[in-house]
Amino acid sequence: DQQVKQNSPSLSVQEGRISILNCDYTNSMFDYFLWYKKYPAEGPTFLISISSIKDKNEDGRFTVFLNKSAKHLSLHIVPSQPGDSAVYFCAASDGGNAGNMLTFGGGTRLMVKP
Amino acid sequence: AAGVIQSPRHLIKEKRETATLKCYPIPRHDTVYWYQQGPGQDPQFLISFYEKMQSDKGSIPDRFSAQQFSDYHSELNMSSLELGDSALYFCASSRRGGSNEQFFGPGTRLTVL
Repeated sequence: DQQVKQNSPSLSVQEGRISILNCDYTNSMFDYFLWYKKYPAEGPTFLISISSIKDKNEDGRFTVFLNKSAKHLSLHIVPSQPGDSAVYFCAASDGGNAGNMLTFGGGTRLMVKP
Repeated sequence: AAGVIQSPRHLIKEKRETATLKCYPIPRHDTVYWYQQGPGQDPQFLISFYEKMQSDKGSIPDRFSAQQFSDYHSELNMSSLELGDSALYFCASSRRGGSNEQFFGPGTRLTVL
């Protein structure tokens, strides 16, 4: 049973527009959430995180929103750039930070078209 | 900035052979994690170590063992390899305290023939 789900395997967006990647989770014990970006032949690169005590965290073009009641989080990228094209993984952890084991979603492949 | 180093980057083995994967964490990081990503799958947590002691254990087969050494590098030992062990093996490291973000290495691609 997958505890973290990314229901869209792929997303195509025009350069300059907003990219919205979604993630749902089922385990109520998760209290820390992260987004990773992965290029082929490389390891996942940390992008942004959010603790369950917040509902929004922003870092430059990246914003993560958390809706605890819906057990849903989303990553917004504005404006999208061709270099953002990659696979994006949502991950969750318990224990209040990222130091515990991460449970990953299946990933969403984002393609930003020039 | 220094990143997580994994060696080898690629490894080809035959069934029933053994393999050892190495991970060198970012300097001053004290925690190491191992993940396995099968073809078309998401990364699955295997095991982690903090200060040379096992910290968490996930879906690691009994045929696999791992340890963290005094210099904080870690090795994942895999015996009696099976075709299904073919995967990307990622190591990540973090420093305990604060948010503890895990930084991932480039991975070792293991192919079992």
